[in-house]
Amino acid sequence: NAGVTQTPKFQVLKTGQSMTLQCAQDMNHNSMYWYRQDPGMGLRLIYYSASEGTTDKGEVPNGYNVSRLNKREFSLRLESAAPSQTSVYFCASSEVRGGADEQFFGPGTRLTVL
Amino acid sequence: AQSVTQPDIHITVSEGASLELRCNYSYGATPYLFWYVQSPGQGLQLLLKYFSGDTLVQGIKGFEAEFKRSQSSFNLRKPSVHWSDAAEYFCAKKDSSYKLIFGSGTRLLVRP
Repeated sequence: NAGVTQTPKFQVLKTGQSMTLQCAQDMNHNSMYWYRQDPGMGLRLIYYSASEGTTDKGEVPNGYNVSRLNKREFSLRLESAAPSQTSVYFCASSEVRGGADEQFFGPGTRLTVL
Repeated sequence: AQSVTQPDIHITVSEGASLELRCNYSYGATPYLFWYVQSPGQGLQLLLKYFSGDTLVQGIKGFEAEFKRSQSSFNLRKPSVHWSDAAEYFCAKKDSSYKLIFGSGTRLLVRP
């Protein structure tokens, strides 16, 4: 049981390049999330998917797109990377989109945009 | 907008000493509150959560937290800190649409 996995672990991009961050979970969770973590700002929600087939914007969606490919996989795409998108990106999943459910986090992707 | 405040950016304690990390949240009718820990280069791991019932919540690794509605606080405590507790700690709250709102984190340093 691997939990939440993310690829790649590290990535360096040049401004304007595109890339997709991959996330998969093997816990049969309904909800999945993408966050970015910046120093002194905690984690901020980029997009989430309450269930397969649905996606919604979070707090900081600009410059990103997502795809909920199936129940297991939720990808985050940067179409034209900018230095402001240099960050650590975390994927998370939870069983239900409710109050007391716990979110399980992946190990993160450290992205640098030059 | 709802918010979570962790007033201490860094805290340094000696190994074996007690620890309290502060967390304050903006008003919510039914607060769902969480503490997560992040070791260097790792993802976040849940320490404990509160959603109802007993206001003193026990978690993993010997941590506990107390929910105080009158003070809008959910402080994390540990009676005796170990060197392996050095990490960053995040308090979080579910908002009205059940999205997690995180505080900015407190980095714990442990003196030998």
